[in-house]
Amino acid sequence: QVQLVESGGGVVQPGGSLRLSCAASGFTFSIYGMHWIRQAPGKGLEWVAFILFDGSNGYFADSVKGRFTISRDNAKNTLYLQMNSLRVEDTAVYYCTKRNSAYNSDGDAFDIWGQGTMVTVSS
Amino acid sequence: IVMTQSPDSLAVSLGERATINCKSSQSVLYSSNNKNYLAWYQQKPGQPHKLLLYWASTRESGVPDRFSGSGSGTDFTLTISSLQAEDVAVYYCQQYYSGYTFGQGTKLEIK
Repeated sequence: QVQLVESGGGVVQPGGSLRLSCAASGFTFSIYGMHWIRQAPGKGLEWVAFILFDGSNGYFADSVKGRFTISRDNAKNTLYLQMNSLRVEDTAVYYCTKRNSAYNSDGDAFDIWGQGTMVTVSS
Repeated sequence: IVMTQSPDSLAVSLGERATINCKSSQSVLYSSNNKNYLAWYQQKPGQPHKLLLYWASTRESGVPDRFSGSGSGTDFTLTISSLQAEDVAVYYCQQYYSGYTFGQGTKLEIK
């Protein structure tokens, strides 16, 4: 069935690094742009990053720009988020999501979400 | 663009209508195609977020027709015409006109 499964979360000290993965199945991963969204404890949903369907370009929220990178392996149907220089305020559940329009078509609602993976940044 | 939902929580009797409002700090209507870049999501405990509506009023495949969306520009509404027990959830609006921002969520419960 159509699903996204995140992994790689955990506890890390401030300044540390973590790499999240998101395994996609049940749809043609290579034709859809993908996003990472996060939700800090007791807070709202915050968009983090987006990568085009072919991996040619990534876009980031100001809060993570220069510290996070997004990539994908279309042969492995997997999305990644490399998080460096982590801060306490990066503590959140991280969700990968699929945009509901293929290729570069207009529209960026998120039609498939994973269950999320928890990242805790603490000393 | 800041998205503000109201109310923060809502209790409605089974079979009654539930209405959730969402206001954007600037218009999310793109004049060249007359589309509102707004979506609604449902989150139930232990389940992934579910897309309900996009383009403000287009129902996602498989979403029951008791869910409907309306509004344009800066003011939007999600309506559940006849509340069912399985509709208990947190509902979010989201704009994708300029970047991506979400409302704070509205918790819907049974009265």
